[in-house]
Amino acid sequence: GQSLEQPSEVTAVEGAIVQINCTYQTSGFYGLSWYQQHDGGAPTFLSYNALDGLEETGRFSSFLSRSDSYGYLLLQELQMKDSASYFCAVLNTGGFKTIFGAGTRLFVKA
Amino acid sequence: DSGVTQTPKHLITATGQRVTLRCSPRSGDLSVYWYQQSLDQGLQFLIQYYNGEERAKGNILERFSAQQFPDLHSELNLSSLELGDSALYFCASSVPRTGTAGYTFGSGTRLTVV
Repeated sequence: GQSLEQPSEVTAVEGAIVQINCTYQTSGFYGLSWYQQHDGGAPTFLSYNALDGLEETGRFSSFLSRSDSYGYLLLQELQMKDSASYFCAVLNTGGFKTIFGAGTRLFVKA
Repeated sequence: DSGVTQTPKHLITATGQRVTLRCSPRSGDLSVYWYQQSLDQGLQFLIQYYNGEERAKGNILERFSAQQFPDLHSELNLSSLELGDSALYFCASSVPRTGTAGYTFGSGTRLTVV
């Protein structure tokens, strides 16, 4: 079977840094993705990690450790508009399907 | 506009009925994916098509079926609808068949079964 675990909720202050962790168990692993979804909206792709290490894209960074089956999304200089749900997602071996975690709801306070 | 078009945006129907959800992928994308999102839940993978062929299947109910047509648009058919089928249904597309560059999602079809 396969499962992904991430915190259900995280609250942070505007301008701060927040880290959303994700651990996964899967019979086959190809890569880890992160998506953002605002209420009532469509998920939007943020990042993809296939190899160990940190990938940086503007204020967002994503990290992967394949040996620990662990990754995180780091959001810096938080803005109110970052309030949304964030999903980690595992792309399975063969790369034909992406399994999503239950999502972490991020609340950014002024 | 993400480039992935889903119709209709909203659908209200009665239990036992059958509905068809339609998705047009972003221009140039060959892979189409269907996901179900129930209230405050994650995205449940249903099925993937690549260039007209089924490539991967998730926990898709037998009452549900899908296909991808030669023009690459896809349809998700839901039959014998139950109250629990009420959800947001998303279609996504990607360029490479493995989706390593991420998926582009449509705005979804909100299905309400009454």
